[in-house]
Amino acid sequence: NAGVTQTPKFQVLKTGQSMTLQCAQDMNHNSMYWYRQDPGMGLRLIYYSASEGTTDKGEVPNGYNVSRLNKREFSLRLESAAPSQTSVYFCASRIGVNTEAFFGQGTRLTVV
Amino acid sequence: GESVGLHLPTLSVQEGDNSIINCAYSNSASDYFIWYKQESGKGPQFIIDIRSNMDKRQGQRVTVLLNKTVKHLSLQIAATQPGDSAVYFCAEIPGANSKLTFGKGITLSVRP
Repeated sequence: NAGVTQTPKFQVLKTGQSMTLQCAQDMNHNSMYWYRQDPGMGLRLIYYSASEGTTDKGEVPNGYNVSRLNKREFSLRLESAAPSQTSVYFCASRIGVNTEAFFGQGTRLTVV
Repeated sequence: GESVGLHLPTLSVQEGDNSIINCAYSNSASDYFIWYKQESGKGPQFIIDIRSNMDKRQGQRVTVLLNKTVKHLSLQIAATQPGDSAVYFCAEIPGANSKLTFGKGITLSVRP
């Protein structure tokens, strides 16, 4: 049972480049989340998907787009990367109301 | 043991002592709360949760206390061990909403 899988684990981008971070879960969870984690800032919610077919903005959505491709997959896209988007990105999922979220191992992204 | 609010970044305790980590939440509509532990280079891991209809919940060596009157959550770790050294986050979910948001986190450092 793989849980939540994120790809890639590491990425270096040049300013202005685009890329998509992939997340997949095999636990049949309904809700999925994307967070970024910066030193001293904790986990900040970028976007979430309460269920397949829906997405909503979190605390820091600017500069990002998401796609809930199906129940398993939730991708995060950076259209034009900026150095301020250098961070560790975590994907999470949970089955529903009043249940804990399970996290992937993170993607460390550096924008130069 | 020592207690400290999340506005202080680090809590240092002696191995074997009890640790108390506090969290003040802001949304009075939140009815589900989770504590996570994050070790260096890894994604957050679930420790314990509590629903708003409870004041206390116990796990193995951990206890979570909820005071809804003052919107305060605490995590108590009994007989703290070196393996407890990590960053700890509280998270809250308001009502039936799926939005899961985190506090800033605190680093627990265990002295041998």
